[in-house]
Amino acid sequence: GNSVTQMEGPVTLSEEAFLTINCTYTATGYPSLFWYVQYPGEGLQLLLKATKADDKGSNKGFEATYRKETTSFHLEKGSVQVSDSAVYFCALSPAGAGGTSYGKLTFGQGTILTVHP
Amino acid sequence: DVKVTQSSRYLVKRTGEKVFLECVQDMDHENMFWYRQDPGLGLRLIYFSYDVKMKEKGDIPEGYSVSREKKERFSLILESASTNQTSMYLCASGGSWDNEQFFGPGTRLTVL
Repeated sequence: GNSVTQMEGPVTLSEEAFLTINCTYTATGYPSLFWYVQYPGEGLQLLLKATKADDKGSNKGFEATYRKETTSFHLEKGSVQVSDSAVYFCALSPAGAGGTSYGKLTFGQGTILTVHP
Repeated sequence: DVKVTQSSRYLVKRTGEKVFLECVQDMDHENMFWYRQDPGLGLRLIYFSYDVKMKEKGDIPEGYSVSREKKERFSLILESASTNQTSMYLCASGGSWDNEQFFGPGTRLTVL
């Protein structure tokens, strides 16, 4: 079956440090890949996504590249801010939008990021 | 602004009670989902619905049921609440041809 593995947290950084959160997946075909973020007290919101190999998703200074050869989708940001403190989830959706997949997502366990001033 | 709302942010119930969690979306999405979120386990899919009155089990359906009588509303039911159902419950909705899901703020349920 499908699965997503994220690096274990929590991750603690100082403001302006470089961030990497590793994510690898197991799936057949070419799934769509996502990073969601959950700020304290809120639900999840989509941060970025990529739907095919070598695509790069980006948003709010965060980037992730869909690497089919290493089955990875690592999240990076060059300079983190205190406001980036949140829980980050990597997720995949089976190959092909719609159809019998119904847009179901498989999530990783989440990585807690804390950024100190 | 798109919105998914959940009926309660916090809920405390006793063992054996029947519990209803409601979710409403205003985006005319076909698909709706219920997850539970536990530390170290990420989000796990309980049930989902791809149309009115249509539902399918997710990865952890035991002890739960769902109801979708209208397109915009998806209810999660705990028939007889147990302490191991203490958790954060998240509702989400999504369109048929786009895999992005939109989430509600969550309901933190405590079963005593």
